[in-house]
Amino acid sequence: QIQLVQSGPELKKPGESVKISCKASGYTFTDYAMHWVKQAPGKGLKWMGWINTYTGKPTYADDFKGRFVFSLEASASTANLQISNLKNEDTATYFCASNWFAYWGQGTLVTVSS
Amino acid sequence: DIQMTQSPASLSASLEEIVTITCQPSQDIGNYLSWYQQKPGKSPQLLIHSATSLADGVPSRFSGSRSGTQYSLKINRLQVEDTGIYYCLQGYSAPYTFGAGTKLELK
Repeated sequence: QIQLVQSGPELKKPGESVKISCKASGYTFTDYAMHWVKQAPGKGLKWMGWINTYTGKPTYADDFKGRFVFSLEASASTANLQISNLKNEDTATYFCASNWFAYWGQGTLVTVSS
Repeated sequence: DIQMTQSPASLSASLEEIVTITCQPSQDIGNYLSWYQQKPGKSPQLLIHSATSLADGVPSRFSGSRSGTQYSLKINRLQVEDTGIYYCLQGYSAPYTFGAGTKLELK
C-alpha cells in the first residue's frame, strides 16, 4: 500500500540545522509532487511549498524562503526538508504529503530549544 | 493569497446528529477544495476532494457540497470516531491555504 514514512523527532538548539526525510513507497515516486506542511504546537496547518519530483524544482511559500530547502533522493524515493539557522518558532511538526494531499507522512516533530 | 474563512471554530454535537462545517474562500477557487480530518498526534486524513468527491475508504456519512462560493462538509449521523479537527484546503492557486480548523467534540 502507499506509504510516506518520515524520519524521527529532532531536538535542536537555535542556530543549528535539521534535515527531515520522507520516504515514499507503493507508487512511482515521480508521479506526484511532494508538498510540505508545518503545524506549530496547538495550531493549524500551513503549506510550506512543494517540489516537483520529476524535475526536482522546488517552490516555496513566501514565509519559507531563505532557510528552508526541499530536495530529493529520487533513486531512493525520498524527499527531504532541510531547515538551517533554526529559530524557536521553527518548533513544529512537519508533514510531507503527496498526490494532492491524499497521502501524508506521519509527521516529524522538530523542537528548537536552548 | 486566498484566505479561507472556516466556521465554526468549535462545535459540540450529539451522537447521530447532523453536523455542518463551512469554508468561504476570499476569491473564486472553482472546485479546488478538499476537506481533512485530523486526530490528536496524527496526520490529516483526506475526506473529500474536488469539493464533492468522497475519498477512498471514507464512510458515506461524510459529504461535501458547494453553494456559490461557500463550501460545506456535512456529517450525517455523527459517530464517536468523528471527533477531531477538520480543515478545508484550497488547491486552486499557490500559496495553497487551509482554513483555521473546526474542533468537533461530542456533547
